[in-house]
Amino acid sequence: DGGITQSPKYLFRKEGQNVTLSCEQNLNHDAMYWYRQDPGQGLRLIYYSQIVNDFQKGDIAEGYSVSREKKESFPLTVTSAQKNPTAFYLCASSTSRDDTEAFFGQGTRLTVV
Amino acid sequence: GENVEQHPSTLSVQEGDSAVIKCTYSDSASNYFPWYKQELGKGPQLIIDIRSNVGEKKDQRIAVTLNKTAKHFSLHITETQPEDSAVYFCAASKGAGGTSYGKLTFGQGTILTVHP
Repeated sequence: DGGITQSPKYLFRKEGQNVTLSCEQNLNHDAMYWYRQDPGQGLRLIYYSQIVNDFQKGDIAEGYSVSREKKESFPLTVTSAQKNPTAFYLCASSTSRDDTEAFFGQGTRLTVV
Repeated sequence: GENVEQHPSTLSVQEGDSAVIKCTYSDSASNYFPWYKQELGKGPQLIIDIRSNVGEKKDQRIAVTLNKTAKHFSLHITETQPEDSAVYFCAASKGAGGTSYGKLTFGQGTILTVHP
């Protein structure tokens, strides 16, 4: 059963702690992406990776870090430098084909208290 | 950078009516325009997309139109059903190849409610 798996679904952390969100895909997709969604707003791009061992900043990368050591995995670390980390985080992936689309995971809701 | 504006923010219709959601974009280089449906607490799901070499695309009750000159695109849902109730997002992307098609700029979303 192919897809994108984000874990955990809900995550609670204390202010000042770093936290890592997991994203795994078994679709053999080349590119992976992280988005942030705040209530009543659209999704905003945090980081993306079009190939293993390479990634680029999106529109709101400050306070976040990523790695892409394996094709199927693209973890996102929310650092203590992120001023408003509480949000819904969505991971997506796509192939390199011209007729592709971006597939999204089910999201991780991070609450920092 | 790209900016995508989406209207209306909420839309309420009766079952069987049509619903139309409109988006405008700012970057004339954008060439891929997907529409996503998001249910509460879930990730977005693609419902239809259109590329800049096409003016209209239809899939059963859903259609999308694109006007490149005016830089706007619209989602049309006919014969709406209660299960169409969700948040709908438009998005825009530019670049060559599939690895660009996930690098999206999203609109703010439209909450569609279909009353039985």
